[in-house]
Amino acid sequence: GAVVSQHPSWVICKSGTSVKIECRSLDFQATTMFWYRQFPKQSLMLMATSNEGSKATYEQGVEKDKFLINHASLTLSTLTVTSAHPEDSSFYICSVPSTNEKLFFGSGTQLSVL
Amino acid sequence: QKEVEQDPGPLSVPEGAIVSLNCTYSNSAFQYFMWYRQYSRKGPELLMYTYSSGNKEDGRFTAQVDKSSKYISLFIRDSQPSDSATYLCAMTQETSGSRLTFGEGTQLTVNP
Repeated sequence: GAVVSQHPSWVICKSGTSVKIECRSLDFQATTMFWYRQFPKQSLMLMATSNEGSKATYEQGVEKDKFLINHASLTLSTLTVTSAHPEDSSFYICSVPSTNEKLFFGSGTQLSVL
Repeated sequence: QKEVEQDPGPLSVPEGAIVSLNCTYSNSAFQYFMWYRQYSRKGPELLMYTYSSGNKEDGRFTAQVDKSSKYISLFIRDSQPSDSATYLCAMTQETSGSRLTFGEGTQLTVNP
């Protein structure tokens, strides 16, 4: 069964609105989760590391004020895309490291900003 | 130059063929090497996970790592139409297995 639950699987929103994506670790507690973004026919690019109980760590070039990350518990991390614009349209995927050092991914969220 | 290079394909093979997928990398600190399979608009699914150089086999899949050449491979034997997907190599130098660096992915189609 699924190790990581991510939803929604797709969302369409108007430009200027905010969208929240949830990522849940189902099988184990995770002090760290990762958020990736994937544009069509491109690979996954790490956006940020979500840390339970502390601030997220953002990769270079990722706007922390635009992509708000909250790691509310050991099983839940959320990514909020604030004031979304068409260029934010992408496939967003979360991942959770397991206890045996392997990384498992959620099913992804396709965001389309009109 | 990208840290991880992977031929994006597309690669098309007949059912039953042996498929060879490859990645090269430049960072000699990478220690953990993975292959993921990704169906369209789905999250990547971990196929193979190896540490350092050597071979690992799991069913129809064999992963090879040659750290001296900075080259990794995934072989798929007796390929099936259900193997049609994008295959991503990934690697990391961190012991936690996190913060992966991905290749571009190779799009594979297995024709019945």
